[in-house]
Amino acid sequence: GESVGLHLPTLSVQEGDNSIINCAYSNSASDYFIWYKQESGKGPQFIIDIRSNMDKRQGQRVTVLLNKTVKHLSLQIAATQPGDSAVYFCADLLGVPSGGGADGLTFGKGTHLIIQP
Amino acid sequence: KAGVTQTPRYLIKTRGQQVTLSCSPISGHRSVSWYQQTPGQGLQFLFEYFSETQRNKGNFPGRFSGRQFSNSRSEMNVSTLELGDSALYLCASSLAPDRGETQYFGPGTRLLVL
Repeated sequence: GESVGLHLPTLSVQEGDNSIINCAYSNSASDYFIWYKQESGKGPQFIIDIRSNMDKRQGQRVTVLLNKTVKHLSLQIAATQPGDSAVYFCADLLGVPSGGGADGLTFGKGTHLIIQP
Repeated sequence: KAGVTQTPRYLIKTRGQQVTLSCSPISGHRSVSWYQQTPGQGLQFLFEYFSETQRNKGNFPGRFSGRQFSNSRSEMNVSTLELGDSALYLCASSLAPDRGETQYFGPGTRLLVL
């Protein structure tokens, strides 16, 4: 797959502040994007997803923004809490060919979000 | 509804041995994907199964193989283990093979090759 990267390996924020985690992807054919959160010793946990026909999607305390022009994806976490400490991964899927099939997600390297008290 | 389960959680093997890891998907999920996670390479796609058929495969050598049973449970096998195979192996399940179906991950099996 194509590379999906995150801008910063580590992001430190104060508890209660908003966090913004960025991701750049390289393949313009990517049509589905997902953010996962991975806590130490656990598997990735789904946070939110967005399809290429959208530019914004909101969940509970999280918002994903997609800018297809510059191939950039961001995850915004409102009012960051200690439980938000984790590594955050963006992942993408390429465009759907006929026949379907769950092709593998291509993951970025991850950003470690650290919450300062 | 129970999540994705993987067994064993931890495993220590020596070079040259082979290993089999097991994954039970979320009830009703028919697609199972496997990923390898290492500090250096991050999360990488191994393969995906649906209805007992491998539909897609990542860029890994033939030593890595898998299968899926009629109840959607899946196993992956690594033969002739190498030190570089030490990693967290993650299984993810989704409802159907259509793209864009959210994949839910299990806790992983941590394999250490000595």
